Amino acid sequence: EVQLVQSGAEVKKPGESLKISCKGSGYSFTSYWIGWVRQMPGKGLEWMGIIYPGDSDTRYSPSFQGQVTISADKSISTAYLQWSSLKASDTAMYYCARHGTADYDSSEFDYWGQGTLVTVSS
Amino acid sequence: EIVLTQSPGTLSLSPGERATLSCRASQSVSSSYLAWYQQKPGQAPRLLIYGASSRATGIPDRFSGSGSGTDFTLTISRLEPEDFAVYYCQQYGSSPQFGQGTKVEIK
Repeated sequence: EVQLVQSGAEVKKPGESLKISCKGSGYSFTSYWIGWVRQMPGKGLEWMGIIYPGDSDTRYSPSFQGQVTISADKSISTAYLQWSSLKASDTAMYYCARHGTADYDSSEFDYWGQGTLVTVSS
Repeated sequence: EIVLTQSPGTLSLSPGERATLSCRASQSVSSSYLAWYQQKPGQAPRLLIYGASSRATGIPDRFSGSGSGTDFTLTISRLEPEDFAVYYCQQYGSSPQFGQGTKVEIK
């Protein structure tokens, strides 16, 4: 069974750093792109970027380029999303999701993590 | 960048009725790289349709997708109580984007 399990909720202060995780299981982790999607409170879905764990090739939405870093550690089947300096406007639910087609960078998301709620407040 | 516009914003219908949701792209979506997702409160999105018209695994056949180029439609033939939710389209070709969502609510 394919599963993506995300790390727990975080409460941080503006200016702090953060790294959240997404652990994949039940499939070949290195063969499927993993993406991150933001959902701000009461709002829609925003595509942030994707990573291919096999070689760490990464693509970012222009809206998120330079604002976050996506990485992966294939030895432990885990993808990450990190911030070096959080802002209040980063408060949101963050989902990881897997591409539906192996090795292909243009694909729908067929499996989703449960989400990680990040709250940034002074 | 392709912008996706979903309409209507909210659809008020009764169980058993037919729902027709629209997703219009500002430019042609390459190779019908268009997906639909359902999201219920407090849950992660769920893939319904990919490739504009292919149902994802386990999705009931009352859900169908159609369209190409810039105009796409998600149809729910007969609404069940569990279908009341928010629906998003997504293009996953060049610079992937989601639409803003359509809420299907109980009338």
